[in-house]
Amino acid sequence: QKEVEQDPGPLSVPEGAIVSLNCTYSNSAFQYFMWYRQYSRKGPELLMYTYSSGNKEDGRFTAQVDKSSKYISLFIRDSQPSDSATYLCAMRGPTDSWGKLQFGAGTQVVVTP
Amino acid sequence: GAVVSQHPSWVICKSGTSVKIECRSLDFQATTMFWYRQFPKQSLMLMATSNEGSKATYEQGVEKDKFLINHASLTLSTLTVTSAHPEDSSFYICSARGDLGLAVNEQFFGPGTRLTVL
Repeated sequence: QKEVEQDPGPLSVPEGAIVSLNCTYSNSAFQYFMWYRQYSRKGPELLMYTYSSGNKEDGRFTAQVDKSSKYISLFIRDSQPSDSATYLCAMRGPTDSWGKLQFGAGTQVVVTP
Repeated sequence: GAVVSQHPSWVICKSGTSVKIECRSLDFQATTMFWYRQFPKQSLMLMATSNEGSKATYEQGVEKDKFLINHASLTLSTLTVTSAHPEDSSFYICSARGDLGLAVNEQFFGPGTRLTVL
């Protein structure tokens, strides 16, 4: 079983809809949670960073962490075609050597005009 | 801030030759750099972790003699694919992590290098 599970999609939504992405994990030691966006043939770009449980909002993006359920989510409001990309969740514990991350498989999102 | 560059962005080489890929942190000092490999429609696979001035730590199954990593300075790491073969064709991505003086000091990724071995 992988430490981080993420549905690879694709997830297709119409423009303006809310995109809902999530990951589950098995390691209760994870405390730092990230969401990266990756466009085709580009490197991942850090979108959201959350420490421990709670919500964090940044513009159209909201990240949620529920450590009791080992479940994290990313919501994208008012989705745009430019949001079409692969979204990767990543996480690590406080003692992971040099900050090594565990990644999910990535969810491909397609926002249709 | 937190910009990481890679060079070249795309390289084609003949089987049996060696290819060097550079990764640079442009506006911060990267105490740790990571090298990943990514196949189409798959997630990132960590190959190795390197700290400036130290030998790289390779993940299980990654041949250290084939994928040579050098982290000679706080802003530069190189990955050399030695005696490349067609199965080494992939998208190679580096990331860097360091003291940015920000709340977030997670990994920042380069744009990737597409390697095609003929």
